[in-house]
Amino acid sequence: AQTVTQSQPEMSVQEAETVTLSCTYDTSESDYYLFWYKQPPSRQMILVIRQEAYKQQNATENRFSVNFQKAAKSFSLKISDSQLGDAAMYFCAYRRPVYNTGTASKLTFGTGTRLQVTL
Amino acid sequence: ETGVTQTPRHLVMGMTNKKSLKCEQHLGHNAMYWYKQSAKKPLELMFVYNFKEQTENNSVPSRFSPECPNSSHLFLHLHTLQPEDSALYLCASSPAGAGHTGELFFGEGSRLTVL
Repeated sequence: AQTVTQSQPEMSVQEAETVTLSCTYDTSESDYYLFWYKQPPSRQMILVIRQEAYKQQNATENRFSVNFQKAAKSFSLKISDSQLGDAAMYFCAYRRPVYNTGTASKLTFGTGTRLQVTL
Repeated sequence: ETGVTQTPRHLVMGMTNKKSLKCEQHLGHNAMYWYKQSAKKPLELMFVYNFKEQTENNSVPSRFSPECPNSSHLFLHLHTLQPEDSALYLCASSPAGAGHTGELFFGEGSRLTVL
């Protein structure tokens, strides 16, 4: 079974600084998707960034980027120029490959990292 | 405005009560999910519905009973719950099948407290 591990329960960063959140996963598949989700205190989980395993290039979305190390099964999230609005729980998630049309998507999540942003 | 709406946002119930959680998605997705979120634990997938058919039940106790009347609506019926069932229950939806990235779209959750 796939597992996702986030070893940092809490992290803190100063405003405008850069922080990296760690995630490792375990799978025997070669093709899969990885995600970082953000859950602010308002509770709705929203997608921050996704990475397809077959792509060597690291995904980037504005201030958010990932360091995807497939051989090491590592998927870290870097937040640059941190803002107060970045304070939230961040969840790393894995999705196994889906080959059949009409198959639902099952994501496996880590335990999350609570990010605090200080002035 | 969220594409996935959950009601109620907060629910307090006794162990002998019967209540229901409701989820509605306006995104045209075919798959819907119930997740349980407890502190310091990974999100636990409870049920998956694909084109209204239940395709996954992760050994969830029978005191939780899902219902999916159509691809846009999902319910979680609650009966004779235990205090350890207190948690945030998240509903999500997604497109189904190969060719999609598989990301889930979540509602804001229903915070359940069982007394």
